[in-house]
Order: sequence, then structure tokens, then C-alpha cells
Amino acid sequence: AQSVTQLDSQVPVFEEAPVELRCNYSSSVSVYLFWYVQYPNQGLQLLLKYLSGSTLVKGINGFEAEFNKSQTSFHLRKPSVHISDTAEYFCAVSDGFQKLVFGTGTRLLVSP
Amino acid sequence: DTGVSQDPRHKITKRGQNVTFRCDPISEHNRLYWYRQTLGQGPEFLTYFQNEAQLEKSRLLSDRFSAERPKGSFSTLEIQRTEQGDSAMYLCASSLAAGAPEGEAFFGQGTRLTVV
Repeated sequence: AQSVTQLDSQVPVFEEAPVELRCNYSSSVSVYLFWYVQYPNQGLQLLLKYLSGSTLVKGINGFEAEFNKSQTSFHLRKPSVHISDTAEYFCAVSDGFQKLVFGTGTRLLVSP
Repeated sequence: DTGVSQDPRHKITKRGQNVTFRCDPISEHNRLYWYRQTLGQGPEFLTYFQNEAQLEKSRLLSDRFSAERPKGSFSTLEIQRTEQGDSAMYLCASSLAAGAPEGEAFFGQGTRLTVV
């Protein structure tokens, strides 16, 4: 079975500071990894995905993530956050064929 | 905008009533998924369709829940005899399975159900 752990339920950060949101996964098969963002009362929007190839993945809104197979991690980073990045961020894993398995989410709170 | 559309956006119902939600996927997408998200949690998989065939159902999908996707287009999720524990956001997503592995699943804005 696949699972995702997001250790930080909430990450406060000041505007223009860097941020890292942590994600660890477990899977017995090849994995495909995703980060989604959810704004209040909205659905989920894909930030980036790792399917294969380069372990450093760049996404929308200046976010990037690095797939680390030995540490079973897929941490999300942004070098300089904006107030508008305040949202809930979900890491998810898939075996590529069917459903996504999500973590419990990390709330990013950006203050001026 | 031709994204995934869900209706209604909000539903308040009394315990014991039946409710039905609708999802219209992106037109060329042949896979459609239903997820449930409770407060403070990530979405949990309920079921998915490829075209009109329902290929997997989660153990979360009790006998009171039924999903259909007639003709492989829109889908409905019905909950019978609602309970307070059914209160959640119900999310629909669709993707194009043109082979393996699949890429991005596009999500609708969800239907928030409150059972009182």
C-alpha cells in the first residue's frame, strides 16, 4: 500500500523568505509524485509532478521539488514566497494507473 | 472555461435524506474520480471510472453510496440516508488515460455537504 506523510501541519513564513514543505512517501512499486495547492473553498490545482527523468522538477508559481529515492522524499520549495501563496498544500503519490493517495496537507501561512 | 464542473457547490440536508451530486469532466477525459475530503484532512479516494465502467471502489464507499457514469460522460454520486459523518467536501477529478503512466488529474471545485 502507498502512503504519504506531511510532517508539518502548518508552516508560518514571512513574505519574500524561502520555504520548504516536507513530504515523505512509502510505496512498494514505482511511484509518481505530485504536489497540489488548495485555496479556501476551492478544488485542487496541480503545482508540479514527478513521473520520471530529472529528479528536480519545476512547477507553476515558482515552486520546485526534488525527488529523492533513497530518502523517499519529495520536498517542495520556493526561494521567495508571496502573500498569495497562502494556501493548503498536498503531496500525493500514485502508482500511475489509478487513484492518488494524499497526505494530510500543510497549511502555508505567509505574513507581511 | 472547460474545466471539471461540479453541481451543486453547497448542499445542506437533514440526516436521513438522500442527496445526489453531479460532476461534468473535461470533455475528452475518459477517467473520472470521486474523492472525499473532511476538515483538516487530505482528499481520500472513493471510486473511479474509465469510460462508463466503475473499476475500483474504496472501502470508504459504504452501501449507502452509489456512483454512476452513464455513457461515459457526466457522473453522479448519490448518498442515501445521510448521516452526520457524511459531512465533507466531495471532489471530482478527471484525467486522460492515453497509456501509462497517466499524468495530471484535473479537479473540480467540489461540493460541500453539510448534514444537520
